[in-house]
Amino acid sequence: EIVLTQSPGTLSLSPGERATLSCRASQSVSSTYLTWYQQKPGQAPRLLIYGASSRATGIPDRFSGSGSGTDFTLTISKLEPEDFAVYYCQQYGRSPITFGQGTRLEIK
Amino acid sequence: EVQLVESGGGLVQPGGSLRLSCTASGFTFSGYWMNWVRQAPGKGLEWVAHIKGDESEKKYVDSVKGRFTISRDNTKNSLYLQMNSLRAEDTAVYYCARSNLFDPWGQGTLVIVSS
Repeated sequence: EIVLTQSPGTLSLSPGERATLSCRASQSVSSTYLTWYQQKPGQAPRLLIYGASSRATGIPDRFSGSGSGTDFTLTISKLEPEDFAVYYCQQYGRSPITFGQGTRLEIK
Repeated sequence: EVQLVESGGGLVQPGGSLRLSCTASGFTFSGYWMNWVRQAPGKGLEWVAHIKGDESEKKYVDSVKGRFTISRDNTKNSLYLQMNSLRAEDTAVYYCARSNLFDPWGQGTLVIVSS
């Protein structure tokens, strides 16, 4: 099983700041199969980034993804109030499909 | 509009059974892999199972193998999760999600396993 470890567990930032979220895999993951999701309280997750760096439909360009192999990053260039949420990375290249434990992005 | 709507959740005793449904609309259901994902209260996301469009492939997370069965009825645009021998640790919101990109997700249905 590929274990995804996200860091930090909680990130406290202010609107307008830049957020950098990390996802580290226990084995190499093809970038094709690395995705990021956003979940707000009481809501279902939403696809943000697929293929490690491609934004899903309707996702603002302040969201970007990068990385390869075992290290992946989600960057939010300039935080908006609606961006404060929990973010999960996921790999679906090898079974079982696995998610990271999540990074909570909170308002400072 | 692509939409997924789960139903069938509720309170069940340990050892009991429950069948979840996910009704799809707005896309060609038979052409997509479909997934079940769960989220225990206050916890993260856990993939449970997925099934290919023609039902030719099914996979499960180890913790539910032998207890849960994923299936679909493409004539009814519906996905199912039959859950048997339920345990307290199966308590969670269960989501269905379309395709390998898990896009979109349904709103979820809550399953509580408790005596």
